[in-house]
Amino acid sequence: GNSVTQMEGPVTLSEEAFLTINCTYTATGYPSLFWYVQYPGEGLQLLLKATKADDKGSNKGFEATYRKETTSFHLEKGSVQVSDSAVYFCALNSGGYQKVTFGTGTKLQVIP
Amino acid sequence: GAGVSQSPSNKVTEKGKDVELRCDPISGHTALYWYRQSLGQGLEFLIYFQGNSAPDKSGLPSDRFSAERTGGSVSTLTIQRTQQEDSAVYLCASSLDGLYTGELFFGEGSRLTVL
Repeated sequence: GNSVTQMEGPVTLSEEAFLTINCTYTATGYPSLFWYVQYPGEGLQLLLKATKADDKGSNKGFEATYRKETTSFHLEKGSVQVSDSAVYFCALNSGGYQKVTFGTGTKLQVIP
Repeated sequence: GAGVSQSPSNKVTEKGKDVELRCDPISGHTALYWYRQSLGQGLEFLIYFQGNSAPDKSGLPSDRFSAERTGGSVSTLTIQRTQQEDSAVYLCASSLDGLYTGELFFGEGSRLTVL
């Protein structure tokens, strides 16, 4: 079956540091890949997505590239801000409908 | 409404009682999903609706769990004879058409605590 593995947190960074959150997946077919973010006290929301190999999703300074050869979709940001503190979920969907499979989430804390 | 609305936001109940959790999706969204988020766990898929029908109920953990959706809109997740292991945050999401490339819109969740 489908599965998503992402690095365990929490991750603590100083403001303006470089961020990488690793995500690898196992799936049948050609899945779509997603990063969702959950800010404190809010619901999950889509951060970015990529629907085919070598696509790069980007939003709010975050980027992730769909790497089929390594089955990875690592999240990166060049300079994090305190406002980026949240829980980040990697996810995939390879079904005919959106039965999305989520990772366990990585908590990011950015300190001033 | 503007977003996915869930109620109650918090529910504390005693073991053995029944609970109902409600989800009001974004107007016009045909697909609706229930997930469960337990401490330290990812999001566990429970059930998916397309319109009023549920083509995939495979995630419901036991026959104590059931869900329905009426009028292609509001959904209710019912847990009968609650157990302590049912304690979790229950998340509802909707999407425009259920296509696998699209975005899920989540509510803020209903936190269930079973004493």
